[in-house]
Amino acid sequence: AQKITQTQPGMFVQEKEAVTLDCTYDTSDPSYGLFWYKQPSSGEMIFLIYQGSYDQQNATEGRYSLNFQKARKSANLVISASQLGDSAMYFCAMRPPDSSYKLIFGSGTRLLVRP
Amino acid sequence: NAGVTQTPKFQVLKTGQSMTLQCAQDMNHNSMYWYRQDPGMGLRLIYYSASEGTTDKGEVPNGYNVSRLNKREFSLRLESAAPSQTSVYFCASRAASGNTIYFGEGSWLTVV
Repeated sequence: AQKITQTQPGMFVQEKEAVTLDCTYDTSDPSYGLFWYKQPSSGEMIFLIYQGSYDQQNATEGRYSLNFQKARKSANLVISASQLGDSAMYFCAMRPPDSSYKLIFGSGTRLLVRP
Repeated sequence: NAGVTQTPKFQVLKTGQSMTLQCAQDMNHNSMYWYRQDPGMGLRLIYYSASEGTTDKGEVPNGYNVSRLNKREFSLRLESAAPSQTSVYFCASRAASGNTIYFGEGSWLTVV
C-alpha cells in the first residue's frame, strides 16, 4: 500500500531564509507522482509543484523546488527566500501508478514565517 | 475565473438529516473527486469519478453517495448524517492529460 509521511508537525523559519519541509513515501510501484499543496488559513488547497517518478531533474516552480531522492524515497519541498505569506499548512501527496490520480496525502506541516 | 465551485460553504446539520454538497467545474475536466479533511489531518478520498456516468469508491466511502450526472457536476450526498461526518469537504477536478488537480474552496460541515 502507498503511504506518505510528514514527520514535522510544525516549523518556524525567519523571513528571507530558505526552509525544507520533509516528505517520505512508501510504494512498491515504479510509476508514481508526488505533489506539494499549500493550505493557507483561509482553507483552500493551492497546487505548488509536481514530480514524476521518471523525471530526470528535480522539479522547480519559482521559489519552490522539490528535492527528489528516489533511493531514499523522499520528496522534500524547499522554499527559498521565505515570505510572510508562506505561513500555511503544507501537504505532500502521492498519486498511484494508474491514471486515476487518486491522491494519498500526508498529515501536513504547519510553517510559520517570522518577520 | 470560477474553476471548481462548491456549495454550500458552511452547513450545520442535525444527526440523521440528509443533505447534498454540490460541485461544478468549468474547465471541461474529465476526472472529479470528493475528499474530506478532518482536524490536523491530510485529505482522504471519499469518491472518484473518471468520467460522466462513472464513479468509484475511495478510502472512506461509508455513509456517502455520489452522482456524476454530467461532465461539469459531481455531487456528494449524506443520507443520514452522523457527528463523525463533521469535516471539511473538498471537491477537485483534473484534465485528462494534466498533472494538476484543482480544488474547490471547501465546504465546512458540522453535524450536531
